[in-house]
Amino acid sequence: DTAVSQTPKYLVTQMGNDKSIKCEQNLGHDTMYWYKQDSKKFLKIMFSYNNKELIINETVPNRFSPKSPDKAHLNLHINSLELGDSAVYFCASSQGTPGNTIYFGEGSWLTVV
Amino acid sequence: LAKTTQPISMDSYEGQEVNITCSHNNIATNDYITWYQQFPSQGPRFIIQGYKTKVTNEVASLFIPADRKSSTLSLPRVSLSDTAVYYCLVGGPSYNTDKLIFGTGTRLQVFP
Repeated sequence: DTAVSQTPKYLVTQMGNDKSIKCEQNLGHDTMYWYKQDSKKFLKIMFSYNNKELIINETVPNRFSPKSPDKAHLNLHINSLELGDSAVYFCASSQGTPGNTIYFGEGSWLTVV
Repeated sequence: LAKTTQPISMDSYEGQEVNITCSHNNIATNDYITWYQQFPSQGPRFIIQGYKTKVTNEVASLFIPADRKSSTLSLPRVSLSDTAVYYCLVGGPSYNTDKLIFGTGTRLQVFP
């Protein structure tokens, strides 16, 4: 069983569209994250939720809206997609704070054309 | 922001030992040091974690000096499959954003 799974793995869409990426973890963790990895391979934290509550919200355009319906899910919705949103988005989870091991999903490759 | 600094890239040959050092001058008392490995088209995955001195598991060793301002990941006898990007992350019992910055990592290329 995949510990952190995200869908879709690949997504190609046009500018201006709205899209969502779903993430689920079956590790029983209470903290989930969204990271963005751009073409330079730099991993940037976007959001973090602990027990469904938003605890970290980095400088991310408000077109990006995370939603956590329960501890096991953290979805990412993106409105009005722009070319610069093209990147790999990784969902991750940990038990408690990031001092504990962070488990990553396989990534969602988003290409905006 | 507290940050980690690593060499951008390293080259090695199969069978050699590889040591990758990470600087983390602003490490806090409660912080742990964790190393992750990322293959192309995959998410990062845990390799090893330590607090001080030396930690060893079936994959790698982690050396941490007494001042804890740096750490060295040691990969014994690397193989082609160890070609990947290696990240160090410093984090503890807090959700500070600076504890979640992975940096650019070290791209290790292993040659036959």
